Amino acid sequence: GDSVTQMEGPVTLSEEAFLTINCTYTATGYPSLFWYVQYPGEGLQLLLKATKADDKGSNKGFEATYRKETTSFHLEKGSVQVSDSAVYFCALKLGNTDKLIFGTGTRLQVFP
Amino acid sequence: GAVVSQHPSWVICKSGTSVKIECRSLDFQATTMFWYRQFPKQSLMLMATSNEGSKATYEQGVEKDKFLINHASLTLSTLTVTSAHPEDSSFYICSARDASGSTDTQYFGPGTRLTVL
Repeated sequence: GDSVTQMEGPVTLSEEAFLTINCTYTATGYPSLFWYVQYPGEGLQLLLKATKADDKGSNKGFEATYRKETTSFHLEKGSVQVSDSAVYFCALKLGNTDKLIFGTGTRLQVFP
Repeated sequence: GAVVSQHPSWVICKSGTSVKIECRSLDFQATTMFWYRQFPKQSLMLMATSNEGSKATYEQGVEKDKFLINHASLTLSTLTVTSAHPEDSSFYICSARDASGSTDTQYFGPGTRLTVL
């Protein structure tokens, strides 16, 4: 079935370090791909998305490129900040359905 | 931005009792709301989709008589866990789709932690 696999956390980085959080997917069709972020005590927020192969989603310095050949959507940021500390969820959605399929989430901890 | 609230944020109840969780869209109308369940270190699992004024659509394996969903208005959906047991202890999250937004736009609540003793 359709699924999303994320790297386990926590990911611990120093401020200004480079971030990569891996995400791969399995889908029967051509999904849209998403990254959501959850800050402590808050609901999930859409961070970025890509709807077709080779699309790059970007927001707040984060980027992810839809790679159909490797079925991946890795999240990257060139220089993380303490305020980026949160849990990051990769997700996919098929067609025009509303159903989101999530990965397990990766906790990012950034220290000064 | 669009805000979704959940109440309560946490609840502890005795086995056999029922618990109601509310999900509200505070500054937009939501024709569709979603209920998810999250176990520790696992992904969010969609339980059901509710549309205002109609019956909820449950995912395979989710007992509709156990998890009662009501979406009586464009800003409120409720999830009632009936005759709760310890295995129902979990983190329940709702989301709402803005009626005026794109299909992709779901706004999430902060979640409700349910502990059944």
